[in-house]
Amino acid sequence: GAGVSQSPSNKVTEKGKDVELRCDPISGHTALYWYRQSLGQGLEFLIYFQGNSAPDKSGLPSDRFSAERTGGSVSTLTIQRTQQEDSAVYLCASSLAGVRTGELFFGEGSRLTVL
Amino acid sequence: KQEVTQIPAALSVPEGENLVLNCSFTDSAIYNLQWFRQDPGKGLTSLLLIQSSQREQTSGRLNASLDKSSGRSTLYIAASQPGDSATYLCAVRRTGTASKLTFGTGTRLQVTL
Repeated sequence: GAGVSQSPSNKVTEKGKDVELRCDPISGHTALYWYRQSLGQGLEFLIYFQGNSAPDKSGLPSDRFSAERTGGSVSTLTIQRTQQEDSAVYLCASSLAGVRTGELFFGEGSRLTVL
Repeated sequence: KQEVTQIPAALSVPEGENLVLNCSFTDSAIYNLQWFRQDPGKGLTSLLLIQSSQREQTSGRLNASLDKSSGRSTLYIAASQPGDSATYLCAVRRTGTASKLTFGTGTRLQVTL
């Protein structure tokens, strides 16, 4: 597609439920990133994929968070047993060139609200 | 640990003014620096990317400079317009942690008529 696509754009869930957030990167982009933006906070790195592997998962806040990427394309971020502090906008980005030099392009984000 | 600071946190200017947004970072060992804008409720739009070997980049009314040795970047916006109103974020990619960008907290710009 023309840009990074994320779905759903908005998700309201009850505490304790699992949620899945999807990211469809720009075609041909090998690098994919997940970030989180909480209200009034800066952007927090979660995980980075190169192809289907995740060499850097250092930003995942707990073992309730996991992510996978298949076919070197679509990625899914899963949050199990959601908590109210998980409420945030989850942003996905992709990059064409090498990890060191590539320009990142972001999607519109998935706004998660945990009640 | 890389820390990125943006000053001012908020700025209001009348239409037509030229303005400068500042970004400073504590670790000068970076691959590149990227400027973004974020409109309310939206994702980030890439404005300019400056590699560590470059001094500046220009796109239309925007000019970004990079002084790696002093840990500073500026984003210059010429002849500001109401449509420039947004939050501007800078982000650095530090060497050794090439997989992620470290973001500043942003400058919220309002351009008034």
